[in-house]
Amino acid sequence: DIVMTQSPDSLAVSLGERATIHCKSSQSVLYNSNNKNYLTWYQQKPGQPPKLLIYWASTRESGVPDRFSGSGSGTDFTLTISNLQAEDVAVYYCQQYYSTLWTFGQGTKVEIK
Amino acid sequence: EEHLVESGGGLIQPGGSLRLSCAASGFTFSAYWMHWVRQAPGKGLVWVSRISTDGSNTTYADSVKGRFTISRDNAKNTLYLQMNSLGADDTAVYYCARTWAMRGAFDIWGQGTMVTVSS
Repeated sequence: DIVMTQSPDSLAVSLGERATIHCKSSQSVLYNSNNKNYLTWYQQKPGQPPKLLIYWASTRESGVPDRFSGSGSGTDFTLTISNLQAEDVAVYYCQQYYSTLWTFGQGTKVEIK
Repeated sequence: EEHLVESGGGLIQPGGSLRLSCAASGFTFSAYWMHWVRQAPGKGLVWVSRISTDGSNTTYADSVKGRFTISRDNAKNTLYLQMNSLGADDTAVYYCARTWAMRGAFDIWGQGTMVTVSS
């Protein structure tokens, strides 16, 4: 199985500042035939199901604010939340859909400093 | 509006069985691959199983293979998860979710149904 490791486990950021979350996969999730990274990012608020933010590592889902951005390729990925808002407090997960068995990172909790 | 609504969760004794359902509405259910994802209390997300649009292709996480069976009824717009030989480690909120292809992002999730395995 591909192991997804996120860092940090938690972070506190001041309102209006930038939050950066890293995700590393144990093997590449870049599919060479179409040059796409099979990597998504989700946001989960307490008591709610996850919400899709980013797919193909950098494509923002419709309706997601543009302060959320994804980058990276191969095995190293980043989710950046610029201009952090109070409503962004949540746990964020990366997930790979490259292999037959899909796996999530352990999650990163984002709080307000 | 596109919706997924899970049902069937509850308290079950170790070794017991339970069948979860996920009712879809607002979209063409038969056009999407469907999945189950679970989340133990206070823990992260774990993908459990997926099924193809016509039900002919299924895949399971190692932790549930041989015990859980995913199925779907496209005429009823409903996804199922039959869970047998349940253990404490299966205690979790179970979400159903859809993807637009065999390999794709979960773009719609249900609210989840809680399964508690305890004596």
